[in-house]
Amino acid sequence: DAGVTQSPTHLIKTRGQHVTLRCSPISGHKSVSWYQQVLGQGPQFIFQYYEKEERGRGNFPDRFSARQFPNYSSELNVNALLLGDSALYLCASSIGQRLYNYGYTFGSGTRLTVV
Amino acid sequence: EDQVTQSPEALRLQEGESSSLNCSYTVSGLRGLFWYRQDPGKGPEFLFTLYSAGEEKEKERLKATLTKKESFLHITAPKPEDSATYLCAVKVDRDDKIIFGKGTRLHILP
Repeated sequence: DAGVTQSPTHLIKTRGQHVTLRCSPISGHKSVSWYQQVLGQGPQFIFQYYEKEERGRGNFPDRFSARQFPNYSSELNVNALLLGDSALYLCASSIGQRLYNYGYTFGSGTRLTVV
Repeated sequence: EDQVTQSPEALRLQEGESSSLNCSYTVSGLRGLFWYRQDPGKGPEFLFTLYSAGEEKEKERLKATLTKKESFLHITAPKPEDSATYLCAVKVDRDDKIIFGKGTRLHILP
């Protein structure tokens, strides 16, 4: 079975540019969440989507946006990139919305470097 | 403010030397506590979910326990392949997010 797949695996962007990261959840999983992990820190919650609707948003600026498609895949968009946006971006999927009933499965992430 | 603190930040052990990692939390309305393992450049790998004080779960050389204020991840007779960062996370009542600690970097020397 395919796990959570993320693309691209690595990306280098210049300050001020825009980036789109993609995530395909495990087949049958309807919930997708995005996390940012800066080196040496734990993952920080950005967004959760369930059934194509935003169900949660973390403490990130409006430059960060996301959406979920009818096939439950998701995109994370970041505008006007800053050096501080350099991080590992993780996507996680689960069967249902309520995390405490189901586990999260993470992808391997997209390593974004902003120069 | 909801907070998760892990200690120690880093731990070096000899192969076979048992130890424990700590995760203390200050949250309102705990709905679940999670342990993940993360290898360099990879996403976190799910290990355990604990829901209530007194609960314990085991998997191979790992055992997780939960009290009202903290959780321990006990590692018995570790092997070099157990080297990784271990992350603790909590799910609170009102949110659909989980809050992660900074992790403990575990290094097992052969």
